[in-house]
Amino acid sequence: GNSVTQMEGPVTLSEEAFLTINCTYTATGYPSLFWYVQYPGEGLQLLLKATKADDKGSNKGFEATYRKETTSFHLEKGSVQVSDSAVYFCALRSGFQKLVFGTGTRLLVSP
Amino acid sequence: NAGVTQTPKFQVLKTGQSMTLQCAQDMNHEYMSWYRQDPGMGLRLIHYSVGAGITDQGEVPNGYNVSRSTTEDFPLRLLSAAPSQTSVYFCASSPQQGKDHEQYFGPGTRLTVT
Repeated sequence: GNSVTQMEGPVTLSEEAFLTINCTYTATGYPSLFWYVQYPGEGLQLLLKATKADDKGSNKGFEATYRKETTSFHLEKGSVQVSDSAVYFCALRSGFQKLVFGTGTRLLVSP
Repeated sequence: NAGVTQTPKFQVLKTGQSMTLQCAQDMNHEYMSWYRQDPGMGLRLIHYSVGAGITDQGEVPNGYNVSRSTTEDFPLRLLSAAPSQTSVYFCASSPQQGKDHEQYFGPGTRLTVT
């Protein structure tokens, strides 16, 4: 079945540091890939998505590229801010199947 | 648009009690779903619906019932609450079921069963 594996957290960074959160997947067919973000006490919000191989999703300075050859969708940001502190979820959806989430990675950014 | 709304925000139940978590969306979305979020386990799908009158089970359906009598509403019923159902519950919707459609999440209901 489909599955998503994310790096375990927490990831602790200083403000303005470079961020990478790794995500790899296993899926049948040609899934769409998503990154969702959950701020404290809130629901999940879509951060970015990519629907086919080599697509790059981007939003709010975050980027992720759909790499079919390595089955990866790593999240990156060049310079993190304290306000980026949140839990980040990688997810995939294949065909008409359900959305499958990774376990989430908590990011803590200190001033 | 209000998006996806959930009530209540917090709830404490005693073991054996029943209750209904409410979910509504005003985006005319066909697809709606319920997830539970537990530490270290990500989000797990409880039940989902591809349209009014149609529901199906997700990966953790036991102890929960759903119905979809209108496009807008998708309530989740706990029949006899157990401590294992202590969790944060999220409702989500998307325009359709297809793979390119993102899901829009409600703010969640934090449930504690004692």
